Amino acid sequence: LAKTTQPISMDSYEGQEVNITCSHNNIATNDYITWYQQFPSQGPRFIIQGYKTKVTNEVASLFIPADRKSSTLSLPRVSLSDTAVYYCLVVASGGSYIPTFGRGTSLIVHP
Amino acid sequence: DSGVTQTPKHLITATGQRVTLRCSPRSGDLSVYWYQQSLDQGLQFLIQYYNGEERAKGNILERFSAQQFPDLHSELNLSSLELGDSALYFCASSVVPQHDGYTFGSGTRLTVV
Repeated sequence: LAKTTQPISMDSYEGQEVNITCSHNNIATNDYITWYQQFPSQGPRFIIQGYKTKVTNEVASLFIPADRKSSTLSLPRVSLSDTAVYYCLVVASGGSYIPTFGRGTSLIVHP
Repeated sequence: DSGVTQTPKHLITATGQRVTLRCSPRSGDLSVYWYQQSLDQGLQFLIQYYNGEERAKGNILERFSAQQFPDLHSELNLSSLELGDSALYFCASSVVPQHDGYTFGSGTRLTVV
């Protein structure tokens, strides 16, 4: 199971782009990278998932380099409501898998 | 509304007591996961059920047990409660135990006094 490493906390300001990088050096060939967002006292919410290169949805973009040993979650023009904890997970395709959450990155967006 | 329903939302009970937390998965999801989140431990996986059968166990205490019923709802039973069991308990569901996105409920906040 690939271990992930991400910054404990980040600060930003409204309107800025935020990039959160996650390191997963021992990712396996059939693993995917998934990001979740969690607000205080709420359950985590799935944001985005990718395998390689770039994935974009209405919320975020996910950049994965060719070696797949890291990934970057990009949040464009953040607002105060983006203040949350962001978790990077490496998940295996097929079979039984338990999403294992680390401590995540606590993002605080300032006015 | 994520589609995963957890009840009750809040629970206050005394040490030594027993409580039952309930989770109704999103329609069509066969797999249910239970997590415990406390301030000092983060999100800890407890147990997983798939279509009524236990699939995986995490760091679940022997005082805790769970089951998934034929209608796919799940219950987490916590007994001989201790102050340290105070936490948020989340239930998540997925269609199958694969890499598809997992949908979490809003949690049950348990306070043991």
